[in-house]
Amino acid sequence: QKEVEQDPGPLSVPEGAIVSLNCTYSNSAFQYFMWYRQYSRKGPELLMYTYSSGNKEDGRFTAQVDKSSKYISLFIRDSQPSDSATYLCAMSGGSGGYNKLIFGAGTRLAVHP
Amino acid sequence: KAGVTQTPRYLIKTRGQQVTLSCSPISGHRSVSWYQQTPGQGLQFLFEYFSETQRNKGNFPGRFSGRQFSNSRSEMNVSTLELGDSALYLCASSLVGQVGEAFFGQGTRLTVV
Repeated sequence: QKEVEQDPGPLSVPEGAIVSLNCTYSNSAFQYFMWYRQYSRKGPELLMYTYSSGNKEDGRFTAQVDKSSKYISLFIRDSQPSDSATYLCAMSGGSGGYNKLIFGAGTRLAVHP
Repeated sequence: KAGVTQTPRYLIKTRGQQVTLSCSPISGHRSVSWYQQTPGQGLQFLFEYFSETQRNKGNFPGRFSGRQFSNSRSEMNVSTLELGDSALYLCASSLVGQVGEAFFGQGTRLTVV
């Protein structure tokens, strides 16, 4: 079993929809939780990061962390075609070290006009 | 402010050869990490350097090595290349103390033939 599980999709939604992306994890020592967006042939771009449990909002993006359930989510409101990309969750902490990011497989999102 | 710069962007090498990839972090960032991205395994941590010292290492064979210079620039080397080493190699830099905020370069796409 992988430390971080993420449904690879693809996920296809109409423009304007609310998108929900999720990851589960098994290592209770993780304390830092990140979401990256990766366009084709580009490096990952940091969208959000959260320390421990709670919510964080930035524009159309909201990140949620539920450490008791070992579950994190990213919500995208009013989705746009430009949001079409692969979304990667990442985590770190514990004996692995804080700068060693453990990634999910990534969810491919397509937002169609 | 310039982002993380990786060179070269593309490389084609023959099995058995060795290769060196370069990464220039964001100005002021002293932590540099390397990741390998493949369709089958996703993003996997290779190693992290800080102040010219390797601080953390992933589960890769000894053919994969790296170093960091006094100006925080980093190189990674892969010796005796195998076909399975074909991947996108990504470098990420972060400020000391700002765990979770790792910024990635565009990557070097290595093809081993």
